[in-house]
Amino acid sequence: DGGITQSPKYLFRKEGQNVTLSCEQNLNHDAMYWYRQDPGQGLRLIYYSQIVNDFQKGDIAEGYSVSREKKESFPLTVTSAQKNPTAFYLCASSPTGTPYNEQFFGPGTRLTVL
Amino acid sequence: GENVEQHPSTLSVQEGDSAVIKCTYSDSASNYFPWYKQELGKGPQLIIDIRSNVGEKKDQRIAVTLNKTAKHFSLHITETQPEDSAVYFCAASGGFQKLVFGTGTRLLVSP
Repeated sequence: DGGITQSPKYLFRKEGQNVTLSCEQNLNHDAMYWYRQDPGQGLRLIYYSQIVNDFQKGDIAEGYSVSREKKESFPLTVTSAQKNPTAFYLCASSPTGTPYNEQFFGPGTRLTVL
Repeated sequence: GENVEQHPSTLSVQEGDSAVIKCTYSDSASNYFPWYKQELGKGPQLIIDIRSNVGEKKDQRIAVTLNKTAKHFSLHITETQPEDSAVYFCAASGGFQKLVFGTGTRLLVSP
């Protein structure tokens, strides 16, 4: 059963703590993405990776970090430098090699800072 | 860079009516326009997309139209059902391997 999994579904963090969100895909997609979603707003791109061991900043990368050591995995770390981390975080993946960027999303992780 | 505007922000219809959501984009180089449906607490699901070399695409009760000259595209849902209630997002390709999303439309279908 192919797809994208994110864990955990809900995450609570105290101010000043770093936290890592997991994203795994078994679709054999080369590209992976992290988005942040706030109420009443669209999806904003945090980081994306087109290939293993390479990634680029999106529009709102400050306070976040990523790694891409395996094709299947693209974890996101929310650091204490992120001023307003409470949000819904979405991971997506897409195949490369086509001019059309069909992205498929995971179920999301809701992060709440206490 | 690409900018996508989406209207309306909320849309209420009666079951069986049609619903139309409109988006405009700014970058004439954009060539791919997907639509996503997001149910409460879940990730967005791709429901239909259109590429710049076609003007219209249909899939059962859902259709999308694209006007490249005016730089706008629309989602049409006919014979709406309560299970169509969700938030719908449009997007446009904003450069290689990137999508830029609209701010979403909350559709409510009342029985």
